[in-house]
Amino acid sequence: SQQGEEDPQALSIQEGENATMNCSYKTSINNLQWYRQNSGRGLVHLILIRSNEREKHSGRLRVTLDTSKKSSSLLITASRAADTASYFCATGNTGNQFYFGTGTSLTVIP
Amino acid sequence: DTGVSQDPRHKITKRGQNVTFRCDPISEHNRLYWYRQTLGQGPEFLTYFQNEAQLEKSRLLSDRFSAERPKGSFSTLEIQRTEQGDSAMYLCASSPNIAGVNYYEQYFGPGTRLTVT
Repeated sequence: SQQGEEDPQALSIQEGENATMNCSYKTSINNLQWYRQNSGRGLVHLILIRSNEREKHSGRLRVTLDTSKKSSSLLITASRAADTASYFCATGNTGNQFYFGTGTSLTVIP
Repeated sequence: DTGVSQDPRHKITKRGQNVTFRCDPISEHNRLYWYRQTLGQGPEFLTYFQNEAQLEKSRLLSDRFSAERPKGSFSTLEIQRTEQGDSAMYLCASSPNIAGVNYYEQYFGPGTRLTVT
């Protein structure tokens, strides 16, 4: 079974607004990653946060991790139409297996 | 282009037939993963190779599925006696080991979409 669960399942916002999506997981992790997937394509790695980190930034992306609550959030600021995609969190422990959530489908309306 | 490539991109087969997919990882990436993704779901882990050794296999990988990475470079995933439930996108990903350090970021290929009729 998949370990991560994203919330909300779908999100629709206007261009320029911020988008926040959340990920909850069940067991202890070594790291958590966020990926983007455009329709019918492979996944693209966005950002990785390790279990001893609480917050990380990359461009317009901000990720937080709360290991006590087993949750993470991804914030995309100043969204663009090109950000329209599905976003998945993936959790890893040993590095040999990664568990993806069901994803958040983001639509950015121009 | 030095990204992960997969072949074929699409495969339509009749139930009961065997199919084989190929994945070429990024050169010198020693870690290779196979995932299956159905519509509206996230990728599900199938199996993992470090070089030519298959180190992890999911319970999802029934005895009809077999994967190989004979020389530690490209990998193949074969499904025997396909069933309609095997219809999915099969994704391959690779990641490097640099100076003895495993990097967790995975680089995904475009996937092979399998349709079993």
